[in-house]
Amino acid sequence: DTGVSQNPRHKITKRGQNVTFRCDPISEHNRLYWYRQTLGQGPEFLTYFQNEAQLEKSRLLSDRFSAERPKGSFSTLEIQRTEQGDSAMYLCASSPRGTTYETQYFGPGTRLLVL
Amino acid sequence: GESVGLHLPTLSVQEGDNSIINCAYSNSASDYFIWYKQESGKGPQFIIDIRSNMDKRQGQRVTVLLNKTVKHLSLQIAATQPGDSAVYFCAETRDDKIIFGKGTRLHILP
Repeated sequence: DTGVSQNPRHKITKRGQNVTFRCDPISEHNRLYWYRQTLGQGPEFLTYFQNEAQLEKSRLLSDRFSAERPKGSFSTLEIQRTEQGDSAMYLCASSPRGTTYETQYFGPGTRLLVL
Repeated sequence: GESVGLHLPTLSVQEGDNSIINCAYSNSASDYFIWYKQESGKGPQFIIDIRSNMDKRQGQRVTVLLNKTVKHLSLQIAATQPGDSAVYFCAETRDDKIIFGKGTRLHILP
């Protein structure tokens, strides 16, 4: 399978715990995006990378959230001191390098439940 | 404010009929408008996009229409099949980001 992969697919944690999600983009895709999706809503942009550089962060990304893409390939999204409001689907997408719009390909998501 | 949204939360269509999913937008500066399909438990899947200087684009069984005068976008699915059952999102590009609307759930009736 050469699509975007995400791990784990599901995560249940207790409030206050830290969680980390991983995204492996399509090979040679330079751009990688993180989104959050709550029930009944469309995905909301969180942040994106061009290679290893984090180019933009949404106001939704509080200081408890951190994303990295150290080698310009896979990326991790960490949430510290999780809160119940963090429960959502976290989606990753990748796209080829470009200065204009390029189609984004989404992974299956990681569903987080904070108890 | 600027937003992308859909007129109806749910649409039920008889199998074999054509489906039309509508979307209204308010940001005239978007370069592209996009339709995504999301099946249960999966991430959004790109269906088709249209550049803002076009008014129609066709794909396999799908057609997207863009009416800039009334800021309206629609997705037409021909001969709807059970596999078309999903939530459909319209979206727009803005500063290298994709801004999604809320989604319309398409139900296929046997």
